[in-house]
Parts: sequence; C-alpha cells; structure tokens
Amino acid sequence: QQQVKQSPQSLIVQKGGISIINCAYENTAFDYFPWYQQFPGKGPALLIAIRPDVSEKKEGRFTISFNKSAKQFSLHIMDSQPGDSATYFCAATQGTSGSRLTFGEGTQLTVNP
Amino acid sequence: GAGVSQTPSNKVTEKGKYVELRCDPISGHTALYWYRQSLGQGPEFLIYFQGTGAADDSGLPNDRFFAVRPEGSVSTLKIQRTERGDSAVYLCASSLTLPTAQYFGPGTRLTVL
Repeated sequence: QQQVKQSPQSLIVQKGGISIINCAYENTAFDYFPWYQQFPGKGPALLIAIRPDVSEKKEGRFTISFNKSAKQFSLHIMDSQPGDSATYFCAATQGTSGSRLTFGEGTQLTVNP
Repeated sequence: GAGVSQTPSNKVTEKGKYVELRCDPISGHTALYWYRQSLGQGPEFLIYFQGTGAADDSGLPNDRFFAVRPEGSVSTLKIQRTERGDSAVYLCASSLTLPTAQYFGPGTRLTVL
C-alpha cells in the first residue's frame, strides 16, 4: 500500500527559478516529515524536516509547506541552481512505531543553467 | 564526525550464494535501520534495531534475509540463497533518538547474476 504519493516524477527548472515538489500522505498517525536529496551513486541526505504542529519551515533556499487538514506537504527550492539537480524524496514516519520511514517515489529535478 | 559507513560499496555474486553487508552507524546512535532501494524507486524499509534487538523486522521480504547487531553498534545484513530479484542498493541509516532525523550511508550495490 502506497502511503506517500509524490509528484511530479520529473521536473525541469531554469536557474534562478522555483522548484516545487508535492507529497500527499494517508496515515494520519504520521508525525515527522523529512525531505531527502540523493545524488547518483550516493545515499539520501537529509535536507529539511517538519512536524505537523507548524505550517511552514524554512532553511536557506529550502522551504517545507505543510497542510495537515489536506494531508499534504511540499518542498519549495528558491533560486534553484544547477547544483540542486538531484532526486528528491519526501518521507513520513510515525514516531511511536519506531520511526521507519515511508518514502515517496521520488522526483528527478534538473536545473538548467 | 564520521557519517554512516557501509561495506562493501559494491558486491557481485551468483544466484544461490550467501552475502553479508556491513553497516557502521554514527557513533552514539542507538537506532539503526536497513532499507532497500531498487532503481528509480524510493528506499523501502527492511528492519530497525534499537540497541542490540530488532525492534521491527516486518519489512524483511522473506526468511532468506536476516540482520544482527550483537553489540549495539555495527550491524550485518545477511542474505541466504540470493536471487536475481535481490539486486538493489542496500542502505543503512542511524539516528540518535526517536523520532528524529535518520542519516544514511552511501549504500551497498548488490548485483546477483
């Protein structure tokens, strides 16, 4: 059962533009929502994370927007750079169940110079 | 400090053989996770350790897969009678407490011929 759905599958953005990746979840018990960035041949690297008690979290050029009632959250990358080209995964976990992460399918982002 | 390390980085084996994959978590991290990532997919949970014990092994696909963490630090994922369908990148992650950020290693790419 797919519990975290991610879109789009791929995204092409011009340098300096805004990249937006969306995720929707089903399990209302999820209470921690991280985003990971993965380059080819590397493991996922934690980018930013949010808990459902806040609607937005910003770290540098990266912002998570969270809509608890809609069970949706999104990653915004401002001033996108070619170095941001990677695959991005949203994930969700329920702390009381041991924090196993359930990942979305991934979004391959390409930022053109 | 050092991140999560995994050895070997690549493993090629023949169908039916036994393999062991090793994970060294970040020092002091009590929680350790194994995930499996197929090409073009998000990581899928396999097993989670809290200390020495497997707190959740519900993601292991069948009884050919087994993992240990005898001293609460290094973990070994063991796969018996490997099948071609086992080919994937096996990722290890660790975290300090629950629920909190999981930090991933670079993965072991397993190829079963």
